[in-house]
Amino acid sequence: SAVISQKPSRDICQRGTSLTIQCQVDSQVTMMFWYRQQPGQSLTLIATANQGSEATYESGFVIDKFPISRPNLTFSTLTVSNMSPEDSSIYLCSAENGAVGTEAFFGQGTRLTVV
Amino acid sequence: QKEVEQDPGPLSVPEGAIVSLNCTYSNSAFQYFMWYRQYSRKGPELLMYTYSSGNKEDGRFTAQVDKSSKYISLFIRDSQPSDSATYLCAPLGDSNYQLIWGAGTKLIIKP
Repeated sequence: SAVISQKPSRDICQRGTSLTIQCQVDSQVTMMFWYRQQPGQSLTLIATANQGSEATYESGFVIDKFPISRPNLTFSTLTVSNMSPEDSSIYLCSAENGAVGTEAFFGQGTRLTVV
Repeated sequence: QKEVEQDPGPLSVPEGAIVSLNCTYSNSAFQYFMWYRQYSRKGPELLMYTYSSGNKEDGRFTAQVDKSSKYISLFIRDSQPSDSATYLCAPLGDSNYQLIWGAGTKLIIKP
């Protein structure tokens, strides 16, 4: 199993500012992902964080708005840039080892409110 | 049409009842079917998964997949208040590492 520490757990930010969320895994993992989850809603994949290369973004998400870093096999960051109230959501980091059928582990999430 | 359809609930049942949670999906290529449980203010955690059609049992939980009808079920026997959570079904997509998430069903077990 893998334990994921995600920081901060929550934040209230002013519109127009940026917030960087950190995700630390206690073991090396192949795949790391960033999701957004509105309260009471399902998970929407933002991007796959690739170690040593640019992240792979899903439709509707762009690097300028959600820059992602993954410098090694245990750590990734997601930045929410130039925030607006529409960015208020829960952001979740996930990790798995890429073999078919293996478990995806999740951090506790970052609850972001933009005012 | 969404790839995975799941009734968001809430589903409220008395303690001890048998609970049935369901999803339908559209892509016949899905082979792995995951069930995740998410408690309030926590990230999802894997409950169990099945491969292809059939049943899989783990304690009070049974996962069932019928590929002919593209129907996924999770049964909980002798439900407990601690089972109150949101249950998300998530088939594994064609890429074999990207999960396709249902909306999640919020389950409430009343003492």
